[in-house]
Order: sequence, then structure tokens, then C-alpha cells
Amino acid sequence: DADVTQTPRNRITKTGKRIMLECSQTKGHDRMYWYRQDPGLGLRLIYYSFDVKDINKGEISDGYSVSRQAQAKFSLSLESAIPNQTALYFCATSPAGGNDEQYFGPGTRLTVT
Amino acid sequence: DQQVKQNSPSLSVQEGRISILNCDYTNSMFDYFLWYKKYPAEGPTFLISISSIKDKNEDGRFTVFLNKSAKHLSLHIVPSQPGDSAVYFCAASTIGNSGGSNYKLTFGKGTLLTVNP
Repeated sequence: DADVTQTPRNRITKTGKRIMLECSQTKGHDRMYWYRQDPGLGLRLIYYSFDVKDINKGEISDGYSVSRQAQAKFSLSLESAIPNQTALYFCATSPAGGNDEQYFGPGTRLTVT
Repeated sequence: DQQVKQNSPSLSVQEGRISILNCDYTNSMFDYFLWYKKYPAEGPTFLISISSIKDKNEDGRFTVFLNKSAKHLSLHIVPSQPGDSAVYFCAASTIGNSGGSNYKLTFGKGTLLTVNP
């Protein structure tokens, strides 16, 4: 089984709808992250969480919110989706204390029409 | 302003030859660098890293070189194999408390490597 799972894997939604993307991990890591990738661009950090009670904005948090329901779960919400939020979204995890690696989920392809 | 630049969107090499992927950075505070590989429909996976106290790090067929004065790093793959065909992302951060990267990675746009049989 995958260590970092994301649901749904693909989603098409309409402008103005609220949508939630979910991430679960079995690695036991404290730190979790949400990134988005746009065509021709690198990954950009949306939000990150160092533990259940810690939530921090990343580079591009406007229009997004997150919830860290448990150590293993970190969800990303688009309160009112807009077309320029069409992108590939990745969840990632890493252990506390700083580490070389962030472990990424398979991604969610979101299309806002 | 892009702090991590991968100026070649794509690279094509023959199987068995060397692949060289380049990355430049502008933020002099960066002192830890990573390469990730990404296949279609999958998330990025960590490949290799280097801290600024080194100028070279090697792991099997993969070697990363760092030139701090030029703010440039490169990933060498020797010999290249068709299975290496993927998008390669360069990422940079400052060093965390434990000596590895801290949490905040800044990614380049990626380079699509195609290794032809």
C-alpha cells in the first residue's frame, strides 16, 4: 500500500463550488505539506503543518484553507473554486527535525470549469 | 522572481550516454539542494541531495555537483537508461536543525529528460 494517499485522484468541479482534497499517510511523519503544480512551473507550497496544532501559510495560500484532523490526515479546501485553481495538487510528508526527503502522494488533478 | 531556475525544459540523450541536468539559483541563503524525479501520474520522488559544505555527492549512477560561487548545480546520470526518462526537479532550501534540508523547499520548473534506446 502507498505510504501517502490522496483522494480523489481526479476531480472536475464548477466555479464557486467548495471542494476538499484529502491526504492520508502511514509513515508516522509529523510534518505534512500541500503543493500545487501548474504546467511549466515547479511545485509551489500552499500550506504546511508541523503537527496537529500547527498550521502555516506557504507561498500561495490565498483561496485555500487546510485542516489537520490527525497526525495522519491533512486536508486542503477550496472554499469557492475558481478556474485558475485548475492544477495538479500534491500532498507530502516528512519527519520532524528536518530531513532530506519529503515523501509525495500521487497527486490530485483538479479542473475548475 | 524565480529563485531556482532550470533553463532547459527538455533534454534528449541516447541510452548509455551521460545526461547532465542543470540548475541555477539566485538566493544566497540557500545551502541545501535536492533533486527529485517525477514520472507521469506519480508524485515526485527524492533522488539525491547535497549541502553547501560539499561540492559533490554521488549515489550510484547519479552525481550532483555544486558550484557555490556560480550558484549552480548539476545532476549527472551515467550511464543513462530509458527508465530514467522523467521530469527532474531541482529544489533548494536552507539547512535545518538536524543538518538536512529544512521544511521549505523552493522548486525549479523541471526538465523533461528523455533517454532514447
